[in-house]
Amino acid sequence: GAVVSQHPSRVICKSGTSVKIECRSLDFQATTMFWYRQFPKQSLMLMATSNEGSKATYEQGVEKDKFLINHASLTLSTLTVTSAHPEDSSFYICSARDQQGAEKLFFGSGTQLSVL
Amino acid sequence: AQSVSQHNHHVILSEAASLELGCNYSYGGTVNLFWYVQYPGQHLQLLLKYFSGDPLVKGIKGFEAEFIKSKFSFNLRKPSVQWSDTAEYFCAVNAEGTTDSWGKLQFGAGTQVVVTP
Repeated sequence: GAVVSQHPSRVICKSGTSVKIECRSLDFQATTMFWYRQFPKQSLMLMATSNEGSKATYEQGVEKDKFLINHASLTLSTLTVTSAHPEDSSFYICSARDQQGAEKLFFGSGTQLSVL
Repeated sequence: AQSVSQHNHHVILSEAASLELGCNYSYGGTVNLFWYVQYPGQHLQLLLKYFSGDPLVKGIKGFEAEFIKSKFSFNLRKPSVQWSDTAEYFCAVNAEGTTDSWGKLQFGAGTQVVVTP
């Protein structure tokens, strides 16, 4: 079946540094990818919608300059957490929509970010 | 504001017991509804989904869910659980209900289900 690969699965960084998270669709083309964030004991919250070749659409309250999203190809979207702070520590997960079928949506395995 | 509520954060039950997980959403328009499961160390996987038609939806691994529009509910059920059903279960709603918005999901907080042998 279709697989979405997300890397890294876990990252620890110092406050003030930037962290890049990759989301790849391995056997299908994804014109649209989604980035979610989950705090402990809370729901996955949609951060942004990433469209190949265009600017991402951010949800209300999500800082676009803080969370840079690049979707340069049909198989790769990246989320960069810039100047990370401890409050950015969270679980980040991506999903990708198969352009061949609007009903096909697949999730990555997530990235646990810890900012010291 | 739109929301998805899952009633239990943690459920423990024995093998062969019946399982029902509650999910309610607050949105008055057209919705698509989903249940996802995440087994330990694995990706989120789709259990079942509802778009339209028969409100009783059957999914994989013996799971089913019933959409009750008047109650804004989409509860998940399994008549007899197995140890391998130990996982976290998420209810999700595609509140805009259009193809273009497909994938833009609002999730519940999840329910951790532990099945004891």
